[in-house]
Amino acid sequence: GENVEQHPSTLSVQEGDSAVIKCTYSDSASNYFPWYKQELGKRPQLIIDIRSNVGEKKDQRIAVTLNKTAKHFSLHITETQPEDSAVYFCAATSPGQNFVFGPGTRLSVLP
Amino acid sequence: EPEVTQTPSHQVTQMGQEVILRCVPISNHLYFYWYRQILGQKVEFLVSFYNNEISEKSEIFDDQFSVERPDGSNFTLKIRSTKLEDSAMYFCASSGTGGTQYFGPGTRLLVL
Repeated sequence: GENVEQHPSTLSVQEGDSAVIKCTYSDSASNYFPWYKQELGKRPQLIIDIRSNVGEKKDQRIAVTLNKTAKHFSLHITETQPEDSAVYFCAATSPGQNFVFGPGTRLSVLP
Repeated sequence: EPEVTQTPSHQVTQMGQEVILRCVPISNHLYFYWYRQILGQKVEFLVSFYNNEISEKSEIFDDQFSVERPDGSNFTLKIRSTKLEDSAMYFCASSGTGGTQYFGPGTRLLVL
């Protein structure tokens, strides 16, 4: 089955700097890769996703890149703000299968 | 914007008791899921449900667990005889044909 790894497990950046979180997946059939942000005690919220027919997707300060050959995808947050502090989970799935989440990255944006 | 809702937000129960966690998925969604998140750990898949039957379940989802869609709106997770290790946050999610899953706010279950 699918296995998703995520690095780093914790990340601290200064406000205004960029943050990058990387995930790798094992199943070459996976074709959908969402990123969720989870604030303490709250539900995971979808922030951006990418499908395997696209190499990059951007939404304001957030972007995701996908390298199908290497089976990895990354979340990029630019101009980080304190409210970006949260745990970020990547996930991978293929048609008819269910989400497999990475272990999460705790991002701290320091003022 | 429609959201997945869950009740109760918190549930405290004694070991061995049955609990039912309730979810109301987004109204036009067809796929429903339950996930579990032990404190400080990642979100783990339990079960998916489509067309009134389980489509996939994980090894966590043993005989103590069951799911049901008793009417056109609710989706429930039942744990028959709770164990201490069932203490976790339980998230319901739903998706349409696009595959994007939207999570409910979760039910924090504490088994004493």
